[in-house]
Amino acid sequence: DTGVSQDPRHKITKRGQNVTFRCDPISEHNRLYWYRQTLGQGPEFLTYFQNEAQLEKSRLLSDRFSAERPKGSFSTLEIQRTEQGDSAMYLCASKRGNEKLFFGSGTQLSVL
Amino acid sequence: GENVEQHPSTLSVQEGDSAVIKCTYSDSASNYFPWYKQELGKRPQLIIDIRSNVGEKKDQRIAVTLNKTAKHFSLHITETQPEDSAVYFCAAINNNAGNMLTFGGGTRLMVKP
Repeated sequence: DTGVSQDPRHKITKRGQNVTFRCDPISEHNRLYWYRQTLGQGPEFLTYFQNEAQLEKSRLLSDRFSAERPKGSFSTLEIQRTEQGDSAMYLCASKRGNEKLFFGSGTQLSVL
Repeated sequence: GENVEQHPSTLSVQEGDSAVIKCTYSDSASNYFPWYKQELGKRPQLIIDIRSNVGEKKDQRIAVTLNKTAKHFSLHITETQPEDSAVYFCAAINNNAGNMLTFGGGTRLMVKP
């Protein structure tokens, strides 16, 4: 499968715990995005990388959220001290330049 | 920033009928407009897109139209089939300046056999 891969597919955690998600973009895609999607809503932008540089962060992204793309390939999104409101689908997407954007299957986070 | 609104939020049609979903955007500089289809529990998948230098684009039963003056674009699905049932999202971006797509709220399309 040469598409965007995300791991894990599902994550259940207790409030206050830290969680980390991984995204492997399509190879040669220099741009990588994280979106959050709640039931019945469209994806909401969280943050964006061009190669290893994090170029933009949404105001939705609180200080508890951090993302990295250390070598310009895979990316991680960490949420510290999770809250019930963090429960959502976290989608990763990638593209090359201004070409089409491709999504991964997402990580469904449930905070109990 | 860009704001995209999408209507209707739900749409029910009979198999074989046409379905139309409409979106408006706020940033007149937006120049790329994709449409995504998302089935339950699956990733959003790009089904068609249009750039601002084109007024209409077709791909088999799917077409998209763009009215730059009015800042709205529409998805048209003809001869609908039950497998077209899904949530459809429109999106917009200014590829010359903005770095991320802004999505509409989605339309749940139900095609009744």
